[in-house]
Amino acid sequence: GQNIDQPTEMTATEGAIVQINCTYQTSGFNGLFWYQQHAGEAPTFLSYNVLDGLEEKGRFSSFLSRSKGYSYLLLKELQMKDSASYLCAVTTNAGKSTFGDGTTLTVKP
Amino acid sequence: ETGVTQSPTHLIKTRGQQVTLRCSSQSGHNTVSWYQQALGQGPQFIFQYYREEENGRGNFPPRFSGLQFPNYSSELNVNALELDDSALYLCASSFEPRDSPLHFGNGTRLTVT
Repeated sequence: GQNIDQPTEMTATEGAIVQINCTYQTSGFNGLFWYQQHAGEAPTFLSYNVLDGLEEKGRFSSFLSRSKGYSYLLLKELQMKDSASYLCAVTTNAGKSTFGDGTTLTVKP
Repeated sequence: ETGVTQSPTHLIKTRGQQVTLRCSSQSGHNTVSWYQQALGQGPQFIFQYYREEENGRGNFPPRFSGLQFPNYSSELNVNALELDDSALYLCASSFEPRDSPLHFGNGTRLTVT
């Protein structure tokens, strides 16, 4: 089976940096995706890690440690529009994607 | 480039009825995955279709079934609806089953009364 854990809620201030952690246990691990989901909308792709290390895309970065079953999403220079749910999703070699329950981030002025 | 479209957007059904949800995949995508999302939870994997064949299934009973057509569009069928089936059903397409990001449609909100 697969188990994915992320914090339920986080709060941060506009302009700050926030790190959202994700730990997982899975068999046949292939890679890890991060998605953003605004309330009432569909998830949208943010980043993908298949090898250990850091992937950077503008204000967003994602890190993966396969040996530790750990990833984080780093959001810099937070903006109000970054208030959303952030979903960690693990994919297996068979192509199945399993999502965590998401971390609801609230950005305050 | 046309994105993923789902129909209908909202649906109300009675317990015991059957429902069919439809999804058109994004141009160039050959893989479609279906998810069920309850309020406050992450999407739960129902199944995936790759080139018209089922390519993996989550922990959903057999009354959840699907199809993928030659144009890579897809259907999700649910028989003998139960109250707990009330949820947002998301369809997502991708270039291939494993290493490509999922592109989601806006979902179908199903309410079972």
